[in-house]
This record gives sequence, structure tokens and C-alpha cells, in this order.
Amino acid sequence: EAGVTQFPSHSVIEKGQTVTLRCDPISGHDNLYWYRRVMGKEIKFLLHFVKESKQDESGMPNNRFLAERTGGTYSTLKVQPAELEDSGVYFCASSQVGAPDTQYFGPGTRLTVL
Amino acid sequence: SQQGEEDPQALSIQEGENATMNCSYKTSINNLQWYRQNSGRGLVHLILIRSNEREKHSGRLRVTLDTSKKSSSLLITASRAADTASYFCAAPALSNTGKLIFGQGTTLQVKP
Repeated sequence: EAGVTQFPSHSVIEKGQTVTLRCDPISGHDNLYWYRRVMGKEIKFLLHFVKESKQDESGMPNNRFLAERTGGTYSTLKVQPAELEDSGVYFCASSQVGAPDTQYFGPGTRLTVL
Repeated sequence: SQQGEEDPQALSIQEGENATMNCSYKTSINNLQWYRQNSGRGLVHLILIRSNEREKHSGRLRVTLDTSKKSSSLLITASRAADTASYFCAAPALSNTGKLIFGQGTTLQVKP
């Protein structure tokens, strides 16, 4: 069974540009979470989808971040326009609705904003 | 507010030695989990300990949980160079939606 995949693995963009990160959860996992780790700091929750619905987006830093999960399968996280402080590693995780404690993480996307 | 805080922030040991990392948290928890992140790679789930458990083992890993002190420790015995990574404790938020609150992590370097 394939694990959680994320694309791209690394993105380098200029300040003011737009970047879209993609996460493909494990098939059948209705829960999908986005987290990020800014350099040297803790990993912080961004938002949680159950199928295509946003269950909790309390961690989204500001309205430059837009997450979608159309059809309840893969999810995208768009940053527009990107700022320097957005640099970090963005992780996606998925889990089954009945087992939210067991989250499977993807390899992360390392975003560098110059 | 941050759920988990870890110490030390950085630890450097020789191969073969044991490494101990500590995590403290602020609110009641149902379980506490430990994750590892190797450089440039994703988070790997190491072990989960439930609030009614005091100690758990998995291979060379030993986790303890003291709910009265709101603290947990991760012990890696007979460390190897491949154990070099960042280690994070995490606990589910009280909302019970699965959202995890992470500590700042401990960066472990194991020198060959």
C-alpha cells in the first residue's frame, strides 16, 4: 500500500510568487492534516480536512494560505503571495476516521522563499 | 499554547551510548507520541503511549509517561549513527479530532 505522498519535495521561489503544494493521502483515509515546521521551531498544525470539508483551520497563519481537497482525495495548499517567513517544511498526514491517533506522515515539502 | 516542550534541544553522543530526551506538556492527554525526522525526510511515527500506561518498549526505544508530572521521556539505547535525527513528542489536542500538538524537538547527533 502506498504511503502519503507529497509534491514537490522541494520548492524554491521568489518572494511574491505563488506556490502550490500537493498531498496525496493513503487511499481510504478521510482525515487529512497539514502541518509545517518553520526553521528551528516546532511543528505546527495548519488545518484538518474530513473528506472534502475543512474540520479545523485554526492553524492557518493568514489569508495568503488556501487549502482545498476537492472530491475528498488529494489536497492542495496554495501560498499566494509567498513571504520570506513562509519558508519551512510542510508536512501532510492522513488517518482513518476511526483511528485519528494513528497519523501517517508524508515526506514533506521543503519550501524556500528568497 | 504549546502542548509539548522538549529538552535538551540538542544532544550529541558517541555511538553505543544511550540518549534520553524529555518532553513536558501542559494539559491532560489521552496519549503521547514520539516521532523522528531524519534530515530532509518525513516524520516517522516511533511509539505511542497511552495515558494509562507508564512505560512502553519498542526495540531499542523505551518511553515512559508520568501523568502526575505531565512529562514523558524517550530513551534510545545503544545508539547508532543512523539514529541521528530530530525527535519530537506530540499529543492530540483536546478537541479529539486527531490534530497533534508537537514539541520543539530534540536534535540528536550520534557520532560514529
